[in-house]
Amino acid sequence: DTGVSQDPRHKITKRGQNVTFRCDPISEHNRLYWYRQTLGQGPEFLTYFQNEAQLEKSRLLSDRFSAERPKGSFSTLEIQRTEQGDSAMYLCASSSQTDRNTDTQYFGPGTRLTVL
Amino acid sequence: AQSVTQLGSHVSVSEGALVLLRCNYSSSVPPYLFWYVQYPNQGLQLLLKYTSAATLVKGINGFEAEFKKSETSFHLTKPSAHMSDAAEYFCAVSVFGNEKLTFGTGTRLTIIP
Repeated sequence: DTGVSQDPRHKITKRGQNVTFRCDPISEHNRLYWYRQTLGQGPEFLTYFQNEAQLEKSRLLSDRFSAERPKGSFSTLEIQRTEQGDSAMYLCASSSQTDRNTDTQYFGPGTRLTVL
Repeated sequence: AQSVTQLGSHVSVSEGALVLLRCNYSSSVPPYLFWYVQYPNQGLQLLLKYTSAATLVKGINGFEAEFKKSETSFHLTKPSAHMSDAAEYFCAVSVFGNEKLTFGTGTRLTIIP
């Protein structure tokens, strides 16, 4: 396995701009999760997919946020009209449903977003 | 809803000393419990997990944790600290049927030479 990859690793943008992040999960993992981590805090759940279906969204995911997972492979997280409060590390994780007792999530390196 | 509380946002230990990082959980159903480690500007790496099998769980890098239902605890220990253990450690909880992770606020471990 090559692990979970995320692109870009760093993104600096101006307030009001749109940004899009990509996550490539471990191959054959059918679950994909997005988390957000602000400085000094633990990651907070945003949303997750099982295959291409988005099954749950946190109330943290405002209307400016949208996530997709076409064809059940990679996923994108888009933030429209960015605000300074969106500055954070965005983490992606994937897992396999085949063993439901050990749904271990494997994390990518994250995308650090800075909104000026 | 599930939650975890990590006691102590910063812990310092001498190299070679015992490492003890505390985690207490709250869950109305049997939990799954995890410890993750995060090095600066990196993602999270799984150290160990509890999934209702053995209560004493051994993980990577010499870490282990014990699930104590009566105390609702899942503390992380390592007998002898190494300089490379310096990092941020997160305890997390999930439950069967709702596998999103709920994390604690983390404990930063510093190793004193």
